[in-house]
Amino acid sequence: ETGVTQSPTHLIKTRGQQVTLRCSSQSGHNTVSWYQQALGQGPQFIFQYYREEENGRGNFPPRFSGLQFPNYSSELNVNALELDDSALYLCASRPTGTPTDTQYFGPGTRLTVL
Amino acid sequence: AQRVTQPEKLLSVFKGAPVELKCNYSYSGSPELFWYVQYSRQRLQLLLRHISRESIKGFTADLNKGETSFHLKKPFAQEEDSAMYYCALSASGGSYIPTFGRGTSLIVHP
Repeated sequence: ETGVTQSPTHLIKTRGQQVTLRCSSQSGHNTVSWYQQALGQGPQFIFQYYREEENGRGNFPPRFSGLQFPNYSSELNVNALELDDSALYLCASRPTGTPTDTQYFGPGTRLTVL
Repeated sequence: AQRVTQPEKLLSVFKGAPVELKCNYSYSGSPELFWYVQYSRQRLQLLLRHISRESIKGFTADLNKGETSFHLKKPFAQEEDSAMYYCALSASGGSYIPTFGRGTSLIVHP
């Protein structure tokens, strides 16, 4: 295993609420990406952060936002939750100096929106 | 827009049989193709990338630009190959922003 952790493991929220998911990477992992994986689907790219700046975004509305911190941790924030936001959320980090397609995935956070 | 299609949701074979997991893509530029694997109770991980032209765990995949395909093949399946397999595409150069297919579940029976 690569030391990429995510918290919490599971989370239940109601429609309209806000949620924060967390990811912790190893030292030197300056790039972190977040993905949404709906049931029966492949991961869908949300956005990517490098050295605390967003440097790539998928087709997700602005209510999906993120932060990356100097201690190699990051957050995914989702406002105004909708039922369709129910999914597994994955983070993946990349050590500096490795090929851009290098990604170490976390175990995911299962979000259920009721 | 880029799109990845994995037509089979489930592929069931017996040990020792050949395996081919299909992947077709749609992309107007120069693509980079990947296969990811997720074993039971493990994390998603990269299996192979087309630019490496390597064989990993007996699996190979050839990019066919004419047919826009990147099928994953193994001549003799093993029980430990049972897993979820995802094909992914990214534009070559720049940031890695992959588009994944929906995945194919491979079950290898003893």
